[in-house]
Order: sequence, then structure tokens, then C-alpha cells
Amino acid sequence: EIVLTQSPATLSLSPGERATLSCRAGQSVSSYLAWYQQKPGQAPRLLIYDASNRATGIPARFSGSGSGTDFTLTISSLEPEDFAVYYCQQRSGWLRAFGGGTKVEIK
Amino acid sequence: EVQLVESGGGLVQPGGSLRLSCAASGFTFSSYSLNWVRQAPGKGLEWVSYISIGSSTIYYADSVKGRFTISRDNAKKSLYLQMNSLRDEDTAVYYCARDESSSSPSIPFDYWGQGTLVTVSS
Repeated sequence: EIVLTQSPATLSLSPGERATLSCRAGQSVSSYLAWYQQKPGQAPRLLIYDASNRATGIPARFSGSGSGTDFTLTISSLEPEDFAVYYCQQRSGWLRAFGGGTKVEIK
Repeated sequence: EVQLVESGGGLVQPGGSLRLSCAASGFTFSSYSLNWVRQAPGKGLEWVSYISIGSSTIYYADSVKGRFTISRDNAKKSLYLQMNSLRDEDTAVYYCARDESSSSPSIPFDYWGQGTLVTVSS
């Protein structure tokens, strides 16, 4: 089973600042890593797939990078609507495991 | 428009059973593999189960193996999750989510339902 570890657990930032979220896999997942955004009471929303590809309709301020075991989601300049919880997920193995999440909160 | 609509959630006693459904529309259901994902109150996302297009390949998380059964009816464009021997820790919102297509370029987990709440309590 591939375990995904996200850090930090909470990120306190102000609108306009840059957010950098990390996801580390216990073993290589190649580029089969996705990122989701979730707001309270809503289903997760796919942001990034296969490590660096933005999903349909996702603003360019969201970018993903990495391969193997270390991945990063970057939000270049936080908008008020970006304050939410972010999850990474791998699909390298048959388990579609999720990371524990990073909450991006308003400082 | 792609839509996934879950139903069947509710309150059930520990040890009881419940069957969730996910009705799909707006895409060729029979060409996509599917998943169930759950989220306990205040907790993170947990992948639960996967089913391939023809139901030949099925996977479960260890936490539900032997108690939950995933199935699909391509004619009815529906996905199911039969949950038996329910425990308090199964309390969660359950989402269905589309995976990959066998016939066209696709992006796994690009569409999710709105979720259905299952509460296991006496």
C-alpha cells in the first residue's frame, strides 16, 4: 500500500500570497498523482492530474510539479475562493489512496 | 452534462445493512470504471472501492473488505455499494466518482456526485 503524506497540515496565508503544498509518497507513483480542492459541504474538485496537468476550467494560478515520490501544488497568488482543504491522490497502484489533506486558511 | 447522483444513505444501527446507488447521466456509462470514496465527519477522503467497466476487476480498501460489495448495472447506468455489518466508523458521506474510460482519452476522478450521508448509530 502506497501511503501519501501531505505537509503542512495547515497553511495560514493572506490573499495574494503564494501557497506551496507538499505531497510525499512512500514509494514511487511515477506521475500518477492528482490534486483536489474541497470546500465545506461540497464534493472534491479535481485541480491537477498526472502531476502537472490542469483539469478543465482550473485557473492558471494553480500548478503542479514533481514525479516519483515528491510532488508540489503551487497557488501563485491566493484568491479569496482558494481558502479550502487540498488533497493529493495516487493511482499508481490499484489503491486510489488519498493524502491526509492540507488546510489553507486565511491568516 | 455529466451527472452522478447518489442515493440510499440514512441512519442504520450497528451490524445493519444499507445499499447505496449512484445514477449516472451525460456520458457513456458502460465505458467508464467507477469508484466509491467516503469522508467521515471532519475527516479526510478515503477511497473505498473500484469497479472496472465490465465488473471483471474489483478492488476494496482493507477497511471494508468482506463487508462491502460494489456492483454496477450498465443498462440502468447505475453504480451500487452494498454495505453489510456496518460499524460506527463507517459513518461518512459516500461519493461516487468516475474513473478512466476504456474507449476515449479521459481523466480519472474528473466528476463526482454530491454525496449521500450514511450514519451508523444505535
